[in-house]
Amino acid sequence: DIVLTQTPLSSPVTLGQPASISCRSSQSLVHSDGNTYLSWLHQRPGQPPRLLIYKISNRFSGVPDRFSGSGAGTDFTLKISRVEAEDVGVYYCLQGTQIPRTFGQGTKVEIK
Amino acid sequence: QVQVVQSGAEVKKPGDSVKISCTGSGYNFTNYPIHWVRQAPGQRLEWMAWINVDDGDTRYSQRYKGRVIITRDTSANTAYMELNSLKSEDTAVYYCALSAFDYWGQGTLVAVSS
Repeated sequence: DIVLTQTPLSSPVTLGQPASISCRSSQSLVHSDGNTYLSWLHQRPGQPPRLLIYKISNRFSGVPDRFSGSGAGTDFTLKISRVEAEDVGVYYCLQGTQIPRTFGQGTKVEIK
Repeated sequence: QVQVVQSGAEVKKPGDSVKISCTGSGYNFTNYPIHWVRQAPGQRLEWMAWINVDDGDTRYSQRYKGRVIITRDTSANTAYMELNSLKSEDTAVYYCALSAFDYWGQGTLVAVSS
């Protein structure tokens, strides 16, 4: 199974400041069709996860442009340009290249 | 608009089975596979299985193979996840999500306790 390792596991941030989360894969996420199926999800307490980014860098419908994704192969990053109060919660990376799908262990973003 | 609605919370005893439903609306139900994901208290998300709603093809995590059965009823726009031989460690919130994890159900809490 592909293992996704996120860093940091916890990220206290100041409102209005940037935040960055890394996701490293145990093997390349490039699919045989040429796409890289790495997504980012955000989960608030008591709620289901919400898709933010798919295929490395594509923002899902309605996702603010302060969220951006980058990376290639085995190393990926989610960046929040200016953290807002509603951005608190846990962020997960997810790979959709292989079965079984796997998630990172999550990064908790909280306000300082 | 796309909506995914799951059945309600369940309380079960060890050894029981549970069957959770996931009903889609606002889109062509057979166009998008459905994943099942679980989240134990305080734990990360864990992928369990996937069904191609169009032809019924399924894929399972090795961890649950033999204990979970995924089915669908296209006439009811509903997919089902049945988990057998429940243990206390199966206490979790179970989610269904559409193919690209773009739409999620609200989650179903399954509590297993003697």
